[in-house]
Formats: sequence, C-alpha cells, structure tokens
Amino acid sequence: ELKVEQNPLFLSMQEGKNYTIYCNYSTTSDRLYWYRQDPGKSLESLFVLLSNGAVKQEGRLMASLDTKARLSTLHITAAVHDLSATYFCAVDISGGADGLTFGKGTHLIIQP
Amino acid sequence: DAGVIQSPRHEVTEMGQEVTLRCKPISGHDYLFWYRQTMMRGLELLIYFNNNVPIDDSGMPEDRFSAKMPNASFSTLKIQPSEPRDSAVYFCASRLGRGGWNTGELFFGEGSRLTVL
Repeated sequence: ELKVEQNPLFLSMQEGKNYTIYCNYSTTSDRLYWYRQDPGKSLESLFVLLSNGAVKQEGRLMASLDTKARLSTLHITAAVHDLSATYFCAVDISGGADGLTFGKGTHLIIQP
Repeated sequence: DAGVIQSPRHEVTEMGQEVTLRCKPISGHDYLFWYRQTMMRGLELLIYFNNNVPIDDSGMPEDRFSAKMPNASFSTLKIQPSEPRDSAVYFCASRLGRGGWNTGELFFGEGSRLTVL
C-alpha cells in the first residue's frame, strides 16, 4: 500500500522567513503533484513534477523531486501572509492505480 | 472552461436520509474521481471511472455508498441511509488520461460539504 507522508503537518512561521515542507512516499513513482487548499475551498494545482530531478518554481514557491530518495520538497522563500494555506503532495503510482494518493497536508500559517 | 461543477455545495440532513451528490467533469476528461475529506482521515479516494466505467471502488466505505456515471458529463455519489460519520467534504475531480503531453493532473470541483445530524 502506498504511503505518503508529509512533514511538518503544522507550521507557523513569520513573514520573510524561508522554510521547506517535505513529502516522502513509500513506492516507486515518477509523478508527484503539489496542491494548495484555502479554508473551505477546493484544491488548486501548484506544481506537477514528472521526472527525477524536476524542479518547478512559481513566485516564492519552489518544488523539487528526487525519485531515487522518494522525496519531494516544497520550499518557501521570504514567506508572505498570502501563502497561508494547507499544502498537499500527491503521488501517482507508476503503472498502477489511476488515482492520486495524498499526504495528510501541511497547515501553514504565516504571521506578520 | 467552467471547471468541475459539483452540487449541492452544502447539504444538511438527518440520519437515515438519502443523500445524492452530483458532479459534472471538465468536458473531454475521461477520468472522474470521487474523494472524501475529513480532518481525521484526510483525502480518501472513494471510487473512480474511466470512460464512464467504474474501475476501482475499493475505497467506498460501505454498501450504503454507491456511485454512477451514466454519461461522460454527469456522475452521482449516493449515500443511503446516511449516518453522522458520513459528515465530510466530498470532492469530485477529473482529468485526461496519462500519456503524451497529459500530466495526469487532477482538477477538483468546489466540493460538497455534507452534515448528517
């Protein structure tokens, strides 16, 4: 059974600081996705990582994928309040089931 | 495109009542997924369809849950009878098949928040 673990699950940080969210998964996969969810809202796709070594950046967020280590990171640079949300990673099993398996999410609060 | 459309957005019902949630996927997407989100269990895949055919329903918690997809533009998730522990947000998502330039990315609807009293 595929397991996807995120850490930390809760993170409170100050504006202007840098931090990294980690996503580990238990089986082979060459596709990993990051989503953002605001309270009471839907899940919004942030990044799609499709190969080992893939790196994607959008504004203050950067995501990377190491398929050999089964690890993805979401790095936040100089955090701002608007980035407060819950961030999920999700894994697509290579050649397996068609759904995505999600981590528990990281609830991020950025304080002024 | 209008995105994935779900209804109702909110539903409050009493235990024992039937609940039907509806979903219209993005036009042209051939996969449709139903997820349930709770604080305790996070996001759980309940069932998914490919070209209107149910492929994997192993995530459906009990026989009280059923899902259908009569055509490419409509799916329902039904709970009968409903119980308080079914209270959750139910998300529908759709995507294109993997391969070629398709990333396999899921596009989610706004969700249906169900409260069973």
